[in-house]
Amino acid sequence: DAGVTQSPTHLIKTRGQQVTLRCSPISGHKSVSWYQQVLGQGPQFIFQYYEKEERGRGNFPDRFSARQFPNYSSELNVNALLLGDSALYLCASLGLAGGPLETQYFGPGTRLLVL
Amino acid sequence: GNSVTQMEGPVTLSEEAFLTINCTYTATGYPSLFWYVQYPGEGLQLLLKATKADDKGSNKGFEATYRKETTSFHLEKGSVQVSDSAVYFCALSKAAGNKLTFGGGTRVLVKP
Repeated sequence: DAGVTQSPTHLIKTRGQQVTLRCSPISGHKSVSWYQQVLGQGPQFIFQYYEKEERGRGNFPDRFSARQFPNYSSELNVNALLLGDSALYLCASLGLAGGPLETQYFGPGTRLLVL
Repeated sequence: GNSVTQMEGPVTLSEEAFLTINCTYTATGYPSLFWYVQYPGEGLQLLLKATKADDKGSNKGFEATYRKETTSFHLEKGSVQVSDSAVYFCALSKAAGNKLTFGGGTRVLVKP
C-alpha cells in the first residue's frame, strides 16, 4: 500500500509569492494534518482536517490556509511568503476518527525555500 | 499549554554503546506519548508509543516507559548501530484535534 504522498518534493519561491502544497493520505484515512518544521527544530502543528472540515488550527497567521477534498487529499496554501516560511512542510494522515490515540503517519515532506 | 523538552544533541556514540535520550513533558491529564525518528532527508517515522502511565513502548530494540510521576518518557537502546544515526523527536498528543506537540529533537550520530 502506498504511504502518505506529498508534492512537490522541493520548491523555491521569492518573497511575496504564493505557494500550494499537496498531500494524499494513506488509502482509507480520512484525516490529514499539516506541520511546519524549520531547520533544526521540531515540527509545529498548522492544521488538521477531517471529512473536509477543519478540526484544529495551530498558531499560524491567516496567510496559511488549507482545505480537504472529497477524496481526502489536502492542499496547504501560503500567501505573501516571508523568508521565515522556509521550512519542511509535513503532512500526516490518521486512520479513523482522529481521536487522541490515533497514530499519525507522515509523508516525506515538501521542502520550501523562500528567497 | 502542552510542551515537550528533550535533551539537546548531538549525541555521538560508538557502535554497540548504550543510548539514552531524555524527554520530559508538561501537560494536564494523561497525554499519549510518542517517539518519532527522522532519517536524513526523510519525513518522520513512528518509532514507539505509550498511551497510559507505566506503559512501555518498544520497537527495533528501542524502549521507553511512560512515567507519570516524573512526567518523563526517556528513550533507550542497549546496543546502537550505525544505522540508528538520525534525529529523534519526543512528542505528546492530548487535544481532541489530535495535534502532536514535539520536542526540539535530538541528533544521534553512531560511529563504527
